[in-house]
Amino acid sequence: SYELTQPPSVSVSPGQTASITCSGDKLGDKYACWYQQKPGQSPVLVIYQDTKRPSGVPERFSGSNSGNTATLTISGTQAMDEADYFCQAWDSSTGLYVFGTGTKVTVL
Amino acid sequence: QLQLQESGPGLVKPSETLSLTCTVSGGSISSSSYYWGWIRQPPGKGLEWIGSIHYSGSTYYNPSLKSRVTISVDTSKNQCSLRLSSVTAADTAVYYCARQSSAGYRDRWYFDLWGRGTVVTVSS
Repeated sequence: SYELTQPPSVSVSPGQTASITCSGDKLGDKYACWYQQKPGQSPVLVIYQDTKRPSGVPERFSGSNSGNTATLTISGTQAMDEADYFCQAWDSSTGLYVFGTGTKVTVL
Repeated sequence: QLQLQESGPGLVKPSETLSLTCTVSGGSISSSSYYWGWIRQPPGKGLEWIGSIHYSGSTYYNPSLKSRVTISVDTSKNQCSLRLSSVTAADTAVYYCARQSSAGYRDRWYFDLWGRGTVVTVSS
């Protein structure tokens, strides 16, 4: 089955750039999206179709996808960005919407 | 603005059937542009897609759960429902209802609006 692997945790200082990776076989040939989930809350879409930001999502969130890796970048990270982040893609061979393992972003 | 609200029993016995309802308010479930999905999250773990339904009744299911899952829609009530049979402790999770934008081919789809989720515990 198709798997998306993320680092368990990423630490970043306020104002710095956080990069969260999502790895999967030929992921660059698929569309990736990203969700932010704060403790006790439901996920919120922050990036879709690799690079697009939904209305209301700050410009500091950006995405890219190439080769086997999709990346979510948070520029000028703020304390409010501390959360779990999940990537997601569609596996055409099974029709399954697959989520990544999740990354906890800590703003130190 | 459009909101999704999950509801149903918080406790289900092993081997029984879990039944949840998602009520859409502030908008119509009968939009051709969206599917309505169910996703779950076991305690302290990641997200798992269960399945999705269009108001027309078209459905897609997670192959690993397909034999136990039924998702249905009631446009008159602006609701969709999830039934998961023969539950075990492994089905204990927060269950989310989410709107799935369905423009273009399925590889482009994404979940753009989520309900608050409902906790379901499987225990005798």
